[in-house]
This record gives sequence, structure tokens and C-alpha cells, in this order.
Amino acid sequence: DTGVSQDPRHKITKRGQNVTFRCDPISEHNRLYWYRQTLGQGPEFLTYFQNEAQLEKSRLLSDRFSAERPKGSFSTLEIQRTEQGDSAMYLCASSLASLRRNTEAFFGQGTRLTVV
Amino acid sequence: AQSVTQLGSHVSVSEGALVLLRCNYSSSVPPYLFWYVQYPNQGLQLLLKYTSAATLVKGINGFEAEFKKSETSFHLTKPSAHMSDAAEYFCAVTTSGTYKYIFGTGTRLKVLA
Repeated sequence: DTGVSQDPRHKITKRGQNVTFRCDPISEHNRLYWYRQTLGQGPEFLTYFQNEAQLEKSRLLSDRFSAERPKGSFSTLEIQRTEQGDSAMYLCASSLASLRRNTEAFFGQGTRLTVV
Repeated sequence: AQSVTQLGSHVSVSEGALVLLRCNYSSSVPPYLFWYVQYPNQGLQLLLKYTSAATLVKGINGFEAEFKKSETSFHLTKPSAHMSDAAEYFCAVTTSGTYKYIFGTGTRLKVLA
């Protein structure tokens, strides 16, 4: 396994369009995270899945954002009616967690979104 | 709730000099602490992690960090900086009972020839 992969790496879209990003986690990892990173800032938590269940969604996210993880494998993040303020790097990460421990989160290369 | 504070958004060192990047954490329960490195337009790569075993943690590329509970710190060091170390470094915290990784605002390391 080569790690967490994200597609596409770059996306330029016009304001008002919808975009969808895909994340393939490390295959045995049961937790999947989406983070957003703007220039000069650390990653900010957006949402989290344990297997296929979305357990938390940040208050940072408006209703225009939706994420899915069907069958507990890959995940998609969709942004509807994009705005210029959505321009950021969207990072996906995965980890293996049990009742007793969390492993470190492994990050993908990110998807750079530019809304024009 | 957990948080991390990284002191110094920009740090410059000469090639061959000591690298010291500061991270202080806040957590009401025992923390797990991490340092990640990010190169331009790339994702985050794990440098090292503290998960309640040895307090001095060695990572990749010659980096190490020491967990000091009394100072709530987890500073990152490297004895001799290389030009290839120029990047942005993030400290992060989580705990066994949570799932979020909370990141600091990052420190950009510049290495001068």
C-alpha cells in the first residue's frame, strides 16, 4: 500500500460550481479525516468517519459541504455552489484506532482548490 | 479540550546550526503529540510521535523531541540543519479518548547557506 491518495491534486473552478474530491485511505485504517488548510495556517478539522459512519462535522462547515464514506472505504468531499472563500488545500488523513489506542494520522498529498 | 501553541511562525538558522522549534500543549488528559513536516504544495509527513512511552523521541531525518510534562512542552530539535530541512513544521495533539488531531499554526523553517 502506498499511503493515502487524493484526487485530483489541483482543481480550479468558477464560483458557483460544484466540486467533488476523492480520498483513498490506507486500506486497513478505520478512521478517515478531512482537514482544510489555508495559506499560513495549520490544518483545521472538517469531519471524521469511523468506518462508514460520519461521527462529527465541524461548525466550520456550511451546509454546502457534504462528505461520504460508503462501505467504509474511500471517501468523497463535495462542495456545492463554491465561493472564493472555499479556496484552500483540502487534506485527507487516515488512522487505525481501537479502544486502547490511536495510531498517528497519515496524510495524503492534498487537493488544492482555487475558486475564481 | 486540547490545544497546541507553536512559538515563532518563522525561524531562520544557518546551515549546520542547531534547529529548535517550540511547541507547548494543553490537555486535561495524557496527550499523544506529533510533529509533522510539510513541503510546498505537499501533504503532511510524520516526523515523530510521543505516545506515553519514552519521553525523548527520535524521528526521521535526524530530528528528535522531548516530552516535558512539567513544562507542557514538546520542542523539536535537530543538532545540525541541512538545506533540505527548509519547510513548514506543525505540532499536533490528540488523546486516546478523542479522534481529532489538533494542529498548531506552524513554524516555517528557513536554512541559510
